[in-house]
Amino acid sequence: NAGVTQTPKFRVLKTGQSMTLLCAQDMNHEYMYWYRQDPGMGLRLIHYSVGEGTTAKGEVPDGYNVSRLKKQNFLLGLESAAPSQTSVYFCASTPSPRTRIRNEQYFGPGTRLTVT
Amino acid sequence: AQRVTQPEKLLSVFKGAPVELKCNYSYSGSPELFWYVQYSRQRLQLLLRHISRESIKGFTADLNKGETSFHLKKPFAQEEDSAMYYCALFRGFGNEKLTFGTGTRLTIIP
Repeated sequence: NAGVTQTPKFRVLKTGQSMTLLCAQDMNHEYMYWYRQDPGMGLRLIHYSVGEGTTAKGEVPDGYNVSRLKKQNFLLGLESAAPSQTSVYFCASTPSPRTRIRNEQYFGPGTRLTVT
Repeated sequence: AQRVTQPEKLLSVFKGAPVELKCNYSYSGSPELFWYVQYSRQRLQLLLRHISRESIKGFTADLNKGETSFHLKKPFAQEEDSAMYYCALFRGFGNEKLTFGTGTRLTIIP
């Protein structure tokens, strides 16, 4: 199993440009999450999904949109990038709550995004 | 609201010395607590969780509900322990999200 994968690994955007980050997992996990990691701020939840076709806002959702059209994929979109969105973005997934290890989150390798 | 506090952003410890990374939480229910670790240029991975009462890589953490703490300890630090450590809290069914602390960067001095 590849686990959780993210594309791209790096990206540089100019202010106002748009892009989509792709997260894919092959573990049949129900829940998926997008975080951003900033120095001194830890990991902050942007959006999450508790199943195919569902999404919900996290702690810092402004400026981002998400979609979960397929169970294995969770997309994070930036419609009009701003320098404040320069960060490292991590995707994570969790097994179904019906399993004993439901609460462990499995992380992707991260996407380093710079907005100039 | 739930909160996880890691008071030390940076911690340097000599190799062979004991290590303690502090984590305090605020939550009125019965939390599940975790420690995640991120080694240089690697993804975050679960280190341990309080319900398992296990020791991973020599690290242990005890949940102290009275002091609302979940400190991570290791009796003898090794150079490979240098990493970023995050404490995280899970609230339970109906709220399948983790709340992370701001992290502590541990550096082991040879």
